[in-house]
Amino acid sequence: QKEVEQNSGPLSVPEGAIASLNCTYSDRGSQSFFWYRQYSGKSPELIMSIYSNGDKEDGRFTAQLNKASQYVSLLIRDSQPSDSATYLCAVIARNFNKFYFGSGTKLNVKP
Amino acid sequence: DGGITQSPKYLFRKEGQNVTLSCEQNLNHDAMYWYRQDPGQGLRLIYYSQIVNDFQKGDIAEGYSVSREKKESFPLTVTSAQKNPTAFYLCASSLLLGGGRDEQFFGPGTRLTVL
Repeated sequence: QKEVEQNSGPLSVPEGAIASLNCTYSDRGSQSFFWYRQYSGKSPELIMSIYSNGDKEDGRFTAQLNKASQYVSLLIRDSQPSDSATYLCAVIARNFNKFYFGSGTKLNVKP
Repeated sequence: DGGITQSPKYLFRKEGQNVTLSCEQNLNHDAMYWYRQDPGQGLRLIYYSQIVNDFQKGDIAEGYSVSREKKESFPLTVTSAQKNPTAFYLCASSLLLGGGRDEQFFGPGTRLTVL
């Protein structure tokens, strides 16, 4: 079982819609969760971090964490073509010294 | 400007050669990391270092070596023992804030191709 699982996609949404990206993790003791955006051929860029259950909003982005279900999601409101990228979910293991990355979900926002 | 630099951007290696990838950061971050990314796959940890002169193996350390002689620098050597080194190599760094709140930031990456 992989530590972090993501649907590879692609997820296609029309411009202006809400994109919903999902991630599950296996270690119930994980404490810290991150979303990275990676454009094709580029390095990952941190866009959100979340540490406690519930929602965290930053501009058009909302991260949602449910530790009981071992589930973290990223919502992108008013999706733009420039949001088209691969979104990586990352989790810090309970011993705090290793990140585990999912393989990413590719998002296509169609004009 | 603060940030993480990696060089070269593209690197071509012949069979049997060792090559060294550079990673430098001026963010005063404590920890540095090397990842490998293959097409359609997530990032896999090669080595990490939380303090100068100390480093730990990650999940795929075989065929790689590192050093951490300065806080700012964490070079990665891909040795001839690494049988399939063609990949995108990413260096990252983070503060060590404790409590698992250590956000990692990435350099631009080095794309290594074996000829």
